[in-house]
Order: sequence, then C-alpha cells, then structure tokens
Amino acid sequence: GPKVLQIPSHQIIDMGQMVTLNCDPVSNHLYFYWYKQILGQQMEFLVNFYNGKVMEKSKLFKDQFSVERPDGSYFTLKIQPTALEDSAVYFCASSTGLGSAETLYFGSGTRLTVL
Amino acid sequence: GDSVTQMQGQVTLSEDDFLFINCTYSTTWYPTLFWYVQYPGEGPQLLLKVTTANNKGISRGFEATYDKRTTSFHLQKASVQESDSAVYYCVLRNNNNRIFFGDGTQLVVKP
Repeated sequence: GPKVLQIPSHQIIDMGQMVTLNCDPVSNHLYFYWYKQILGQQMEFLVNFYNGKVMEKSKLFKDQFSVERPDGSYFTLKIQPTALEDSAVYFCASSTGLGSAETLYFGSGTRLTVL
Repeated sequence: GDSVTQMQGQVTLSEDDFLFINCTYSTTWYPTLFWYVQYPGEGPQLLLKVTTANNKGISRGFEATYDKRTTSFHLQKASVQESDSAVYYCVLRNNNNRIFFGDGTQLVVKP
C-alpha cells in the first residue's frame, strides 16, 4: 500500500535544543498530519496541514511547535525549544482529501528522546 | 462531543481462538469507521473501514459491522494467529472530518 516515510527513526537531543522531524508523505496526497504517542498510550492529534497552512491544531500543539512543507519537499515538525515532556513517538500521516471517508496513511514514526 | 470507546485494554488468546474486540462510538451524524492495527515499532495501518451504516468491512479474516442502532463497530476474527498480536485501534472520522482514536486494545496471541 501507500508508504509514508519518516526520517530519522530515532532522535536523541538535550532539553532546550531544536529538533526537526521529517516526513515524506504519499506522493499524490494533499493533507498532512502529525500525531504524538507517548509509550504505551493513545494516539493524540497534534495538527493538520493543507496548501501551506495549518488547518487545525490541538492543545498539544504548543507555541514551540511549527510545521511547514517548503516547495513540496518534506513535511516537517519543528520543536524549538524542546522540553522533557516532548519525549514521545511522533507519527506523520497523509491523505488524498479531507472527506470523512478518506483513509489516513501513517509512517513508522520518529522516536524522540529529550534528555 | 464525539468519541470512541474501547473497553478492553488487553485481550490474551491462544492460536485458533475467536477474537472479539469491543468498540462503541458517539457522534451526531454518520461517521466513517475504521479499524487500524499497529505492530511493534510501526505506525498504525488500515485494517478495514466502513463508510455506510449497517455495512460490514472484511479484511484478512477480520470483520466489523457498522451498527447504527447500537452505535458499535466491534472487531471479530474466527481464528487468530500469533502474527495477529498487535494493538488495534477503533477510529471514527466524523462529518467535520475530525478523527477520533479509541485508546487501543493490545491483542496477545500465544502459540
């Protein structure tokens, strides 16, 4: 099936540093998402993005978070500065459209550890 | 507000047992309902989806019926295998295109 690629698979950084998580969505998809999953817990929505703009974000999407997709390249999640509570697995997802029947395709996640 | 409830945090079975994972939902209109499966170290992947009330989705031996009367979307499989061990998420996408995940059910299948 369609593949969403996430780079890197693991990232370890010190608290206060900046980190950028990269996502290569399915090629013809137009809508992009980030989800956060703390180990063993539920999937939590962070943000969705279309046509260069944030469409919706949750309370978890703090001011230190930002997303962009410059010139159709990677869809990125940047955290600056990072905090200990940002340690989690971050999943990128994409879909062709925004209809209620649209399927989200997820990447394998980036495990972020903030020390 | 809209929500998805999975009461079972973990289900432990032996190979060839019957699987039943409970899922109920709450929403105003007619959602699309999904089951996603997450294997260790991977992202959730679509198992099946149903867009129309009272229809059944079937995939890889799993099935789920979108029951509007009982607002349920239980997942079943007649005979599980060890390779089915994973976390299963019931997911709702409502008419406002918001997506709601259940808490997930960890399935452990012993050989």
